[in-house]
Amino acid sequence: GAVVSQHPSWVICKSGTSVKIECRSLDFQATTMFWYRQFPKQSLMLMATSNEGSKATYEQGVEKDKFLINHASLTLSTLTVTSAHPEDSSFYICSARVLQEGQPQHFGDGTRLSIL
Amino acid sequence: QKEVEQDPGPLSVPEGAIVSLNCTYSNSAFQYFMWYRQYSRKGPELLMYTYSSGNKEDGRFTAQVDKSSKYISLFIRDSQPSDSATYLCAMGQNTGFQKLVFGTGTRLLVSP
Repeated sequence: GAVVSQHPSWVICKSGTSVKIECRSLDFQATTMFWYRQFPKQSLMLMATSNEGSKATYEQGVEKDKFLINHASLTLSTLTVTSAHPEDSSFYICSARVLQEGQPQHFGDGTRLSIL
Repeated sequence: QKEVEQDPGPLSVPEGAIVSLNCTYSNSAFQYFMWYRQYSRKGPELLMYTYSSGNKEDGRFTAQVDKSSKYISLFIRDSQPSDSATYLCAMGQNTGFQKLVFGTGTRLLVSP
């Protein structure tokens, strides 16, 4: 149980384009989803916390106009990287928390974003 | 000083060895402690989670938490080449598991 699906797994696009990444909880409802960024050989850095039906909470230093987050349902959150540039190239990972308290976050398999 | 310190490794062991992975932390408010395993180019996979101090065992894995020393450990018995991965410790402050803080991860290599 507690499967989180992330799509796409890899995307390559030109500088200036926008990219949307989807995160779905397949077998549970997630009131809260999290978006992380991970650079090679580094740990996960939280970008934002997404609560269903409300605005996302961004971490310090993360541009909310650059990284648009939508959490329209209890099973889907999306991250859109707007006007992407090469420095946005990274591994983006989402996680979801099971509705009941006391349950840990479960992660998707990540999206490798390469901006040319 | 980072909130969570973890030796990046790599840690190389022969197959069958007992592996000990550790993290130290500075924030005494942490109450929930997790260990995740991450294979290359994949998302982290939850291995163990514990609340407060104590031990928890699941198959070949044992997690220990010593809140008085601000030190957590993950032991892997009878290590296998398939255990080769990066192991991340993570910690949270409240019952909602909001906003985890991760260690940098320890890369483990188990040779046949």
